Amino acid sequence: DQQVKQNSPSLSVQEGRISILNCDYTNSMFDYFLWYKKYPAEGPTFLISISSIKDKNEDGRFTVFLNKSAKHLSLHIVPSQPGDSAVYFCAARGYAGKLIFGQGTTLQVKP
Amino acid sequence: NAGVTQTPKFQVLKTGQSMTLQCAQDMNHNSMYWYRQDPGMGLRLIYYSASEGTTDKGEVPNGYNVSRLNKREFSLRLESAAPSQTSVYFCASSHGTDNEQFFGPGTRLTVL
Repeated sequence: DQQVKQNSPSLSVQEGRISILNCDYTNSMFDYFLWYKKYPAEGPTFLISISSIKDKNEDGRFTVFLNKSAKHLSLHIVPSQPGDSAVYFCAARGYAGKLIFGQGTTLQVKP
Repeated sequence: NAGVTQTPKFQVLKTGQSMTLQCAQDMNHNSMYWYRQDPGMGLRLIYYSASEGTTDKGEVPNGYNVSRLNKREFSLRLESAAPSQTSVYFCASSHGTDNEQFFGPGTRLTVL
């Protein structure tokens, strides 16, 4: 059973607009969430994270929102740039730091 | 700093063959991990080592073994490869189990 789900396999947005990537989880015991970005033929790289005691965390153009009651988090990228085109994975941190990843969403930002 | 390095980058095996995937990190991290990535499945944890001298199973450990050779190196062994083990394998490391994980570039393995 998938504990972390990204239900949109792909997303296409115009350069300069907002990209919103969504993620749902089932386990209310998760206390820390992360977003990773992955380019082809490379390993994932850490992007931004949020603790369950917060509902928002910002880092430049990237903002992550957490809605614990809905067990939902989202990543907002504003403004989107062509270099943001990549696969984005959300992950929840479980016991002993083990990361449980979603399936990934492929973001394409069109110039 | 090279970060996390993995060898080989690509490998093709026949069913039943064995091989070892190598991973090394130069960040003096305590914890190391092995994941596999399959289409539509995201990354799934195979094994991890919270600290030198310890290893534990992750979500999908069957068919694999690991060795934490020293603080820097964490290898993944397939004793008898099966087509279901065709995947991209990523090694990662972190300072501790509650810290950000840094990933290597991956090994693309095909089992025929």
